[in-house]
Amino acid sequence: TQLLEQSPQFLSIQEGENLTVYCNSSSVFSSLQWYRQEPGEGPVLLVTVVTGGEVKKLKRLTFQFGDARKDSSLHITAAQPGDTGLYLCAGVPHNNNDMRFGAGTRLTVKP
Amino acid sequence: DAGVTQSPTHLIKTRGQQVTLRCSPKSGHDTVSWYQQALGQGPQFIFQYYEEEERQRGNFPDRFSGHQFPNYSSELNVNALLLGDSALYLCASSLFNSGANVLTFGAGSRLTVL
Repeated sequence: TQLLEQSPQFLSIQEGENLTVYCNSSSVFSSLQWYRQEPGEGPVLLVTVVTGGEVKKLKRLTFQFGDARKDSSLHITAAQPGDTGLYLCAGVPHNNNDMRFGAGTRLTVKP
Repeated sequence: DAGVTQSPTHLIKTRGQQVTLRCSPKSGHDTVSWYQQALGQGPQFIFQYYEEEERQRGNFPDRFSGHQFPNYSSELNVNALLLGDSALYLCASSLFNSGANVLTFGAGSRLTVL
């Protein structure tokens, strides 16, 4: 089983719709990060959340870190085709020092 | 400002062969981590190098080994290749004492084992 469980695994929506993807764990994390990966490229960091309950906004993207620092969500408002990609959450477990990744949510936004 | 560069971008090997992948970190970074990303999966941590030493290792067999050079660049070696080693191998660089765990990834080396 993955240390970080992401859901849904796949998501296909129309341009202009809103969506939320989730990243859950039974472990506590020092911090959680969200990356977006496009085909043929490596993951690109979107945001890092470090404080339980923290909410960060990046244009149409809103990231939230759970109060217990075990989960996170990413909400996209008015999705655009350019948002298409693999969204990965990653974190450093509290008792470890290496970055662990979830399996990702593959988002497709149709024009 | 060059980011993380990896070579080769694609390669094909046969079972039992050996492969070496190369990575140059982002300017200013001193730490290199290697990840294996199978199709449809998230990256899996292989190991991390800092000060030319392997600092941490994920759940990968000894067939996977690495090296870091004085200029911070790194190599990943895989011996006795198996079909299951087919994947995208990602290199990520970071600054060891930054405390921020911010990884900068290269575009990866796609390995196909036939």
